[in-house]
Amino acid sequence: EPEVTQTPSHQVTQMGQEVILRCVPISNHLYFYWYRQILGQKVEFLVSFYNNEISEKSEIFDDQFSVERPDGSNFTLKIRSTKLEDSAMYFCASSGGGANSGNTIYFGEGSWLTVV
Amino acid sequence: SQQGEEDPQALSIQEGENATMNCSYKTSINNLQWYRQNSGRGLVHLILIRSNEREKHSGRLRVTLDTSKKSSSLLITASRAADTASYFCATGYNTDKLIFGTGTRLQVFP
Repeated sequence: EPEVTQTPSHQVTQMGQEVILRCVPISNHLYFYWYRQILGQKVEFLVSFYNNEISEKSEIFDDQFSVERPDGSNFTLKIRSTKLEDSAMYFCASSGGGANSGNTIYFGEGSWLTVV
Repeated sequence: SQQGEEDPQALSIQEGENATMNCSYKTSINNLQWYRQNSGRGLVHLILIRSNEREKHSGRLRVTLDTSKKSSSLLITASRAADTASYFCATGYNTDKLIFGTGTRLQVFP
């Protein structure tokens, strides 16, 4: 069964460093997402991406965050200058159609980010 | 309460018993999706139910949706130790984002 793959599975970084989290969405999907889950808390929406641009973003997704689809297969999340509170599990997800059209959103295994 | 709250927060049962988890939400929805998360792992999609549907089945899973009460339930029949996980509901409405609930931690004892 096709799946969303994410790398790295775990990354430890110094506060203030830049981090790039990588994702390979399911190949025929057109919508891509990033969510995060701080330990013990809810899964929170960060950003959705469609047709090579951000379609929606949350208040969490400030100027420190950016997303990119550099080629036909990868989807990346960059955090420019990490803060301690950025420590979380980051999930990439993809879907064939938009979430508002009742399409299943498939999630990856996540990337644990620890900022020290 | 916030959009997407599951109850109970935690549930412990014996193998073979049924497990019922409930999700309540506050706003209108287009669809509601249930996910499972094993500890520290990714989110596995279980079932999507649309706002015009009342019930869906998938194997040992049964999901109901009552839009008048803004609630959904997930029933796992004949539970197994491998069903031990956290279960989340997530709602979607006229946007591309899903809003997740707080989750129910299910423990199934062999």
